[in-house]
Amino acid sequence: AQTVTQSQPEMSVQEAETVTLSCTYDTSENNYYLFWYKQPPSRQMILVIRQEAYKQQNATENRFSVNFQKAAKSFSLKISDSQLGDTAMYFCAFMKHSNDMRFGAGTRLTVKP
Amino acid sequence: EPEVTQTPSHQVTQMGQEVILRCVPISNHLYFYWYRQILGQKVEFLVSFYNNEISEKSEIFDDQFSVERPDGSNFTLKIRSTKLEDSAMYFCASREGMDTQYFGPGTRLTVL
Repeated sequence: AQTVTQSQPEMSVQEAETVTLSCTYDTSENNYYLFWYKQPPSRQMILVIRQEAYKQQNATENRFSVNFQKAAKSFSLKISDSQLGDTAMYFCAFMKHSNDMRFGAGTRLTVKP
Repeated sequence: EPEVTQTPSHQVTQMGQEVILRCVPISNHLYFYWYRQILGQKVEFLVSFYNNEISEKSEIFDDQFSVERPDGSNFTLKIRSTKLEDSAMYFCASREGMDTQYFGPGTRLTVL
């Protein structure tokens, strides 16, 4: 079974600073997808970024980027120039080929003014 | 931009009652999912649905749960006899192919 671990229950960062959220996962699969979802207080799940395991290049989306280390099964999210609107729960998720998604326990990020 | 929609946004029910949560996936998507999130906990997979049948389900998805795609647009989750511990946010998601799952805004279910 695939497991996803987020070892940081809570983190905080000053506005405009950079923060990195950690995620590790366990799988025997070779092809899979990894995601970071943001859940603001409204509790909607919003896709932040995704990574295909067969791609070596790290995904980036504006201020968001990942450090994907396939051998280490690590998938961290870096948020640059943090904004107050980035305050939310962040969930790391794993999806293998044609299958359901498994989520980590989440990291609560607070951006301080 | 197309999006997954869910109704109602909040459902309050008495223990033992049946509830039906409704979802309209993105129109060209083929794979459909239900997840739940108990308050303060992580999102948990319930069931996936493809080609008009369940493709996978978790241990949470017991005989009290059922899913249906009654027409070409709706995807429903039914809980036959609700329990207090069914109180949670329920998220519907859909996916086109080997791609991202897009989540609806969720239905908050409160069982009294």
